[in-house]
Amino acid sequence: RKEVEQDPGPFNVPEGATVAFNCTYSNSASQSFFWYRQDCRKEPKLLMSVYSSGNEDGRFTAQLNRASQYISLLIRDSKLSDSATYLCVVNGHFGNEKLTFGTGTRLTIIP
Amino acid sequence: GAVVSQHPSRVICKSGTSVKIECRSLDFQATTMFWYRQFPKQSLMLMATSNEGSKATYEQGVEKDKFLINHASLTLSTLTVTSAHPEDSSFYICSARGFLAGDDNEQFFGPGTRLTVL
Repeated sequence: RKEVEQDPGPFNVPEGATVAFNCTYSNSASQSFFWYRQDCRKEPKLLMSVYSSGNEDGRFTAQLNRASQYISLLIRDSKLSDSATYLCVVNGHFGNEKLTFGTGTRLTIIP
Repeated sequence: GAVVSQHPSRVICKSGTSVKIECRSLDFQATTMFWYRQFPKQSLMLMATSNEGSKATYEQGVEKDKFLINHASLTLSTLTVTSAHPEDSSFYICSARGFLAGDDNEQFFGPGTRLTVL
């Protein structure tokens, strides 16, 4: 089983729609969770950290369910500029600084 | 946010040659740098972790004699792909973490180096 699993997509969504991505992780001792976005042939960039209480940043909402080892990202009122690959990233248990990346979910916003 | 640069951004080389990739933290001191590799349509895979002044820690399956990592200063780490072969063609990305750069755990990524071995 992969350490971090995501639906690779692609998700083709009309502009203005709401889209949700899910991710599961296998290591129950994982401590930190993130969503990164990666544009084609570019480096990944941190979109947001994910906290147990859930957190929101503008149109983006991230949720963490530790019991189910499940992370989600919701994008509301999607824009053309949201087209990218979204990477679910998990940090190891305390003292383990490694980031483990999912394969990413490809999103295309259609005008 | 903190800035990390990589050089070169793109390199094409012949099979059997060695290629050096530089990773620099431009506005902070990077106590730890990470080297990743990403093949097309795959996730980033950590190759090694390097701390300034000490030997790099390689992930399982990564040959330390083939991928030489040097982290001689707090702002520079280099990855040398020795005797490169076509299967080493990939997108190599470094990241850095350190003092005064985001929170303690945040890694800042370089723009990547696309290596093509003919």
